[in-house]
Amino acid sequence: LAKTTQPISMDSYEGQEVNITCSHNNIATNDYITWYQQFPSQGPRFIIQGYKTKVTNEVASLFIPADRKSSTLSLPRVSLSDTAVYYCLVGDPYNQGGKLIFGQGTELSVKP
Amino acid sequence: EPEVTQTPSHQVTQMGQEVILRCVPISNHLYFYWYRQILGQKVEFLVSFYNNEISEKSEIFDDQFSVERPDGSNFTLKIRSTKLEDSAMYFCASSADRGAYGYTFGSGTRLTVV
Repeated sequence: LAKTTQPISMDSYEGQEVNITCSHNNIATNDYITWYQQFPSQGPRFIIQGYKTKVTNEVASLFIPADRKSSTLSLPRVSLSDTAVYYCLVGDPYNQGGKLIFGQGTELSVKP
Repeated sequence: EPEVTQTPSHQVTQMGQEVILRCVPISNHLYFYWYRQILGQKVEFLVSFYNNEISEKSEIFDDQFSVERPDGSNFTLKIRSTKLEDSAMYFCASSADRGAYGYTFGSGTRLTVV
């Protein structure tokens, strides 16, 4: 399983764009990159998933360079309610038996 | 938006007692999972379940743990003889497709073993 490295914490202010980068140097050919968000005392919530280039949904964008050794989650115009822990997960969803491997995540703090 | 529902939200039990944590997955989902998170630590995989059998389990999921889908809607996790170190948030999740990483997690059951 590919190991991921992401910052332990980040601070931002309301209205700013936040970019959280995740390194995954040993990503395998069949691996996808997925981001989850977790609020205190709640279960993780799926944000976005991608394989290469750029993926965008109503919540976030995911940028993946050609070598796929890193990825960046972009949150546009954050609000206080975006304060949460963000997890980058890398793996082959078709051959992992449902096992998601969570790291420590990035604790994002959004200030007024 | 469909939700995964977990009950109870908080359970306190004495060491050595059996507990059953209950989950109602999203109705058209076929794959079911249990994860746990000890306070201040990572979210950890326990078990995945499909077609009425366990697909994969972690080292944490020893003989003290079992899962069941007793009817068409509930999915349960049983801990036979709880230990202090079983105290954690337990999250149930479900997905429509094994290949989709978009799992839907419930809000969790906080288990406290005293």
